Amino acid sequence: GENVEQHPSTLSVQEGDSAVIKCTYSDSASNYFPWYKQELGKRPQLIIDIRSNVGEKKDQRIAVTLNKTAKHFSLHITETQPEDSAVYFCAASILNAGNMLTFGGGTRLMVKP
Amino acid sequence: NAGVTQTPKFQVLKTGQSMTLQCAQDMNHEYMSWYRQDPGMGLRLIHYSVGAGITDQGEVPNGYNVSRSTTEDFPLRLLSAAPSQTSVYFCASSYGGAGTEAFFGQGTRLTVV
Repeated sequence: GENVEQHPSTLSVQEGDSAVIKCTYSDSASNYFPWYKQELGKRPQLIIDIRSNVGEKKDQRIAVTLNKTAKHFSLHITETQPEDSAVYFCAASILNAGNMLTFGGGTRLMVKP
Repeated sequence: NAGVTQTPKFQVLKTGQSMTLQCAQDMNHEYMSWYRQDPGMGLRLIHYSVGAGITDQGEVPNGYNVSRSTTEDFPLRLLSAAPSQTSVYFCASSYGGAGTEAFFGQGTRLTVV
């Protein structure tokens, strides 16, 4: 089955700096890669996703890049703000096959004012 | 439009007791799934369903049963609770095919003593 590795497990940045979180996956059939943000005690919320036919996607301060050959994808957050502090999860799945998500272990991002 | 609704939010069980975690969605989503989240870890798939009457096992199915008699509901049954099942449980749903964002319920925090 699919295996998703996520690094780093914790990340501390100064407000205004950029943050990068990296994930690798094992199943070449995976073609959908969402990123979720989870605040303490809350449900995971989708912040951005990318499909395997796209190499990069941006949404304001957030971007995701995908390298299918190397089987890795990354989340980039620019101009970080204290409200970006949360746990971020990457995931991988196969479209049209139940959308079962295999999650990485999570990254706790702390943005210091 | 309530989205994905889970009940209860909190539950304490004694070892050996059984219970059902409820999950309902009002978005007419085909796909539904159950995940568990242990402290400091990503979510792991327990069971999933691609439509009414169809269910299958995920990564960690032992000790849990599911059924999908309607499109809206996807209950998770703990047959004989064990302390190892202490976790936060999330139900998720999504459209099949192209519309793939998974919407999560607010979670059920289960403690087995």
